[in-house]
Amino acid sequence: AQKITQTQPGMFVQEKEAVTLDCTYDTSDQSYGLFWYKQPSSGEMIFLIYQGSYDEQNATEGRYSLNFQKARKSANLVISASQLGDSAMYFCAMRENYGQNFVFGPGTRLSVLP
Amino acid sequence: GAGVSQSPRYKVAKRGQDVALRCDPISGHVSLFWYQQALGQGPEFLTYFQNEAQLDKSGLPSDRFFAERPEGSVSTLKIQRTQQEDSAVYLCASSLNPPGLAGLDPYEQYFGPGTRLTVT
Repeated sequence: AQKITQTQPGMFVQEKEAVTLDCTYDTSDQSYGLFWYKQPSSGEMIFLIYQGSYDEQNATEGRYSLNFQKARKSANLVISASQLGDSAMYFCAMRENYGQNFVFGPGTRLSVLP
Repeated sequence: GAGVSQSPRYKVAKRGQDVALRCDPISGHVSLFWYQQALGQGPEFLTYFQNEAQLDKSGLPSDRFFAERPEGSVSTLKIQRTQQEDSAVYLCASSLNPPGLAGLDPYEQYFGPGTRLTVT
């Protein structure tokens, strides 16, 4: 079974609008962390935002926020005021029980239209 | 400051050849990870080093894959007798701290640009 599911292979958004990228996860651990990374065409993975399983508030980092719904095992990324430079692949990832094995989803390609 | 570097950036190998991929982590980083990213997919964990010790190699797909970090800094991922299914981008990441320390979350990995391996 997939541990991380990203159901949107590709998304389009108009510049300056908000967009939500979906992520659902599967784990039986109580302690886990959820991460979002951006991968531009240059290839490097860039850390965006993190949500711990015990965090009661949704994480926010600038224009990025994470809509964490623990009961639904959902950790959607919201990007507000999209910019052309946001066009990239976005990956949701999970680390269970503070281990070293990070599991990544298949990614969503976001294209921001001028 | 210098980030994680990887070399070569591109490698073309004929099936059956051996290849060696190098990763230079950020200086002082204890943890080093290798990932394999097939085309159109997310990275998949291969192996993890804490300093020179390889603590987890559960993701290595076969015994043709071998990784080392002999002095706790530079790491090399070696693939013997390459096959076409080995074609992928190989990503290296480093982190200042070892995982497993809950109080240090969010646990940040710093990724290199990757090596794109094409096996013909």
